[in-house]
Amino acid sequence: NAGVTQTPKFRVLKTGQSMTLLCAQDMNHEYMYWYRQDPGMGLRLIHYSVGEGTTAKGEVPDGYNVSRLKKQNFLLGLESAAPSQTSVYFCASSYSGLAGRSEQYFGPGTRLTVT
Amino acid sequence: GENVEQHPSTLSVQEGDSAVIKCTYSDSASNYFPWYKQELGKGPQLIIDIRSNVGEKKDQRIAVTLNKTAKHFSLHITETQPEDSAVYFCAASITGFQKLVFGTGTRLLVSP
Repeated sequence: NAGVTQTPKFRVLKTGQSMTLLCAQDMNHEYMYWYRQDPGMGLRLIHYSVGEGTTAKGEVPDGYNVSRLKKQNFLLGLESAAPSQTSVYFCASSYSGLAGRSEQYFGPGTRLTVT
Repeated sequence: GENVEQHPSTLSVQEGDSAVIKCTYSDSASNYFPWYKQELGKGPQLIIDIRSNVGEKKDQRIAVTLNKTAKHFSLHITETQPEDSAVYFCAASITGFQKLVFGTGTRLLVSP
């Protein structure tokens, strides 16, 4: 199993450009998440999904959109990139939110720079 | 909402020493407390977790303790090794809601 994979690994955008980050998992997990990691701030939840076709806002959703059209994929979109969105983005997945099945597995991350 | 504070931000120890990282949380409803290890250039990986119905959990050289009354929990690493060098994150959530709130991380450096 590949686990959680993310594409691309690195990307440089200019202010105002758009892009989509792709997350894929092959563990048949129901729940998927997008986090951003900034120095000194830990990981912050952007959006999450509790199943195919569902999405919900996390702690810092502004400027991002997501879609979960297939159970194994979770896409994060930036419609008009801003320098404040320079960060490392991590995708994660978990079987469910229930006790004993809630471990989150993280992907390797995407480093995004917006100039 | 939940707020998790983590200390220290950096910790340097000699190989073989013990290391302790402490976290406090604000929401008394939180009942799930995982610890993640992040190596350079990689995503975080769960190393141990604890639920609010137990006070301590051990896994070889790693242990986590939880004090629900004081709303704090700690990670203990004994007999540290250079490969323990990484950034460690604590987190808190309410089972079923799956909104993990992370601490700001502790960079552990184990010197040979």
